[in-house]
Amino acid sequence: EAGVAQSPRYKIIEKRQSVAFWCNPISGHATLYWYQQILGQGPKLLIQFQNNGVVDDSQLPKDRFSAERLKGVDSTLKIQPAKLEDSAVYLCASSLAGGQVYEQYFGPGTRLTVT
Amino acid sequence: AQSVTQPDIHITVSEGASLELRCNYSYGATPYLFWYVQSPGQGLQLLLKYFSGDTLVQGIKGFEAEFKRSQSSFNLRKPSVHWSDAAEYFCAVGAGSGYSTLTFGKGTMLLVSP
Repeated sequence: EAGVAQSPRYKIIEKRQSVAFWCNPISGHATLYWYQQILGQGPKLLIQFQNNGVVDDSQLPKDRFSAERLKGVDSTLKIQPAKLEDSAVYLCASSLAGGQVYEQYFGPGTRLTVT
Repeated sequence: AQSVTQPDIHITVSEGASLELRCNYSYGATPYLFWYVQSPGQGLQLLLKYFSGDTLVQGIKGFEAEFKRSQSSFNLRKPSVHWSDAAEYFCAVGAGSGYSTLTFGKGTMLLVSP
C-alpha cells in the first residue's frame, strides 16, 4: 500500500514570496490533515478536511495560508506571502474517516526555509 | 483545551538498558492517547494508542505504554533499547469531533549510547 506522498521535500524561498505544497493521501482515506512542525516542537494542526469539506481550520492563519482539497483526494497548502516564522516542516496526514478515531498516517513532510 | 506535556527534551540511554519516556496530558473527558516516533527526515509513525479497556497497551517495535488516570499520565516504556530506537518521540491526545484532532507534546529526543 502506497503511503502519503508529499512534494516538494524541500523548499527555500525569500520572505514575501509565495509557496505551495502538495499532498496525495492514501487511497480511500476520506480525512486529510495539514500540520505545521516548527523546529523543537510537536506538530500543530493547521486544517482538517473530510472529503472536500473543511472540518477544522481554527489554527490556520487565514490572512496568509490557504488550503484546498478539490475532488476530495489531493490537497494543496499555500502560503502567500511567506514570513520568516513560517519556516517549518509541513506534514500531511490521512485517515480512513474523521468521525472515529482512526490512525493517522503521515507523509515525509516538506521542509520550508524562509530567508 | 487539551494539552500534552513531555517533561524531558532529551534522554540518553545505553543500548540494552530499559527506557521510560514521560507524558502527562490535560483533557476534560476520557482521553484518547497516542505515541508516535519520528526518525530524521521522516514522517511520524504510530507506535501505539489507548482508547479504552486494558490500561497497559502494547505497540510495535517492543514498546508498551501504561495509562494512569489518577496521574494523568501515559508513559512509554521499552525493556531493552536498540541503537535503531534513536529518534524523537511524541505523545498526543485526541480530541474534537470523533477525537480525530490530535494535540502533540513537544517531543523527547532519544539518544542511544553504545
